[in-house]
Amino acid sequence: SQQGEEDPQALSIQEGENATMNCSYKTSINNLQWYRQNSGRGLVHLILIRSNEREKHSGRLRVTLDTSKKSSSLLITASRAADTASYFCATDASGNTGKLIFGQGTTLQVKP
Amino acid sequence: DAGITQSPRYKITETGRQVTLMCHQTWSHSYMFWYRQDLGHGLRLIYYSAAADITDKGEVPDGYVVSRSKTENFPLTLESATRSQTSVYFCASSIRGAPNNSPLHFGNGTRLTVT
Repeated sequence: SQQGEEDPQALSIQEGENATMNCSYKTSINNLQWYRQNSGRGLVHLILIRSNEREKHSGRLRVTLDTSKKSSSLLITASRAADTASYFCATDASGNTGKLIFGQGTTLQVKP
Repeated sequence: DAGITQSPRYKITETGRQVTLMCHQTWSHSYMFWYRQDLGHGLRLIYYSAAADITDKGEVPDGYVVSRSKTENFPLTLESATRSQTSVYFCASSIRGAPNNSPLHFGNGTRLTVT
């Protein structure tokens, strides 16, 4: 079964609005990562947050991590049409194995 | 991303044939991964490797074989292709693994169709 699960599966907003995506996971983690995938391309790393961090920012991106609830959120502020993509969270499996398990992703559509 | 390349970009093969997907990275990253991406399942880990000659199973390894004789190459072989292996396959690499994971760098994928 998936370690990380994103919610919602799909999200449609207008340009300029904020977009929030959530990720829940099942086991303890060392860190959690968010990735973006444009149609027909490979995934691109956005941000990594470690288990001892609660919030991290990168440009218009804000990621929070709540290890007590085993959840994370990705907020994209002032969205643009170019933000249209699928977004995935990834967590390392329990134990120090090195492998990353991805959720099923949230498909974001930003309408101009 | 120019640092990690997958070939071929598209492949059509018949059921029962052996097919090998290639992955090459120029960064000398220790870790390499193979994922498959299917609608409704997201990305699922097939195999990964922590270093040359070290490989381990992921979530869905059945029907696949990997090798890593050189750090930069991580080929994925489907020994006897089945229709259920029709998918988009992504190779990725990273500098470090757990507990201080570093970001994964992905190739642009191989779209495999098994007829």
